[in-house]
Amino acid sequence: GQQVMQIPQYQHVQEGEDFTTYCNSSTTLSNIQWYKQRPGGHPVFLIQLVKSGEVKKQKRLTFQFGEAKKNSSLHITATQTTDVGTYFCAGRRGDYKLSFGAGTTVTVRA
Amino acid sequence: GAVVSQHPSRVICKSGTSVKIECRSLDFQATTMFWYRQFPKQSLMLMATSNEGSKATYEQGVEKDKFLINHASLTLSTLTVTSAHPEDSSFYICSASATMENEQFFGPGTRLTVL
Repeated sequence: GQQVMQIPQYQHVQEGEDFTTYCNSSTTLSNIQWYKQRPGGHPVFLIQLVKSGEVKKQKRLTFQFGEAKKNSSLHITATQTTDVGTYFCAGRRGDYKLSFGAGTTVTVRA
Repeated sequence: GAVVSQHPSRVICKSGTSVKIECRSLDFQATTMFWYRQFPKQSLMLMATSNEGSKATYEQGVEKDKFLINHASLTLSTLTVTSAHPEDSSFYICSASATMENEQFFGPGTRLTVL
């Protein structure tokens, strides 16, 4: 079954507003990755977090990895229409496999 | 990032036929390739992991005789859906990685429809 929980499943955002999507794992992760999948497209790698408490930024996107390495978040500021898509977190345990969260599908109203 | 191609992008077949999907890493050597299945509006479910030159490792519940995987070279892995049935209709996505621990680069996916 799914070992990485992701919420919310859907996020409808007013253009210009901020939002956050959260991932939680029942077990400690060695690292966590984030992907974005545009409608009709395939997942595209965004970033990987490895260290406890790590924070990384990509322009308007801020990624965090929890101190216990069991949770992660993606915060997007000043949402734009180009942010539309589904954001997946994917956690890696001790082995090489990635467990994908259910994804947060983001829609933006202008 | 690296480029991974998949062929075909779409396929419609009759029930009982077999379908082969190719996954190629175009600009790097992929020691490991992963095959995922994605149902509409759902997440990616790992089906199997293939390493070049060795047998694929299948996830629990995935029939290895139904989903045949071959990883004959460092740039090509194939997934054959044998005796396809309507319930096999799905979006199949491969990803490639230089090593097991590296980031995965996803192919564009193959939409399979079995009539």
